[in-house]
Amino acid sequence: SAVISQKPSRDICQRGTSLTIQCQVDSQVTMMFWYRQQPGQSLTLIATANQGSEATYESGFVIDKFPISRPNLTFSTLTVSNMSPEDSSIYLCSVATGFRSHEQYFGPGTRLTVT
Amino acid sequence: AQKITQTQPGMFVQEKEAVTLDCTYDTSDQSYGLFWYKQPSSGEMIFLIYQGSYDEQNATEGRYSLNFQKARKSANLVISASQLGDSAMYFCAMREGTAGGTSYGKLTFGQGTILTVHP
Repeated sequence: SAVISQKPSRDICQRGTSLTIQCQVDSQVTMMFWYRQQPGQSLTLIATANQGSEATYESGFVIDKFPISRPNLTFSTLTVSNMSPEDSSIYLCSVATGFRSHEQYFGPGTRLTVT
Repeated sequence: AQKITQTQPGMFVQEKEAVTLDCTYDTSDQSYGLFWYKQPSSGEMIFLIYQGSYDEQNATEGRYSLNFQKARKSANLVISASQLGDSAMYFCAMREGTAGGTSYGKLTFGQGTILTVHP
């Protein structure tokens, strides 16, 4: 199994500012994923972050808005840039820890409110 | 492209009764995985149960079982003996690709079902 922590757990930010969310895993993982969950909605994948390479973004998400770093196999950051109220969401990181089929874990999430 | 459909926005069940949450999926992959997660109001995603596309038997985890009908592309979650603490949002999700592939681990989620358990 994997234990995932995220910082901050929640934040209230002003529009136009940026927030960096940290995701720490207690074991080395190849692939980390960042999801967004807007209020009352399902989860949508933002990007896949592999160590040593550029993140791969899903349609509708761009690097300028959501830059991602993946400096090592246990850590990643997601920055939400130039925030607007529409960015108010829960942001979750997730990992697939190996080749055993059910091993797909989520962090506790970062609840972001933009005013 | 993969798609997950949960047609029940909300479900109600009496405490101690069983409830089935529906999930249908669409994929052209032969190898895939199906997940159910519970999301309480705190926002965390709690893994409940997993079914692989090649698993011949339906998955079970305690009070949770997955009714997997591959030909119909459905993966319904059955919760037996509902408890008040089961009240939450439930998501069905599908993972594409095979282990070691470049897209392995990406999940596509359904819209979710809010389950309310009445005393």
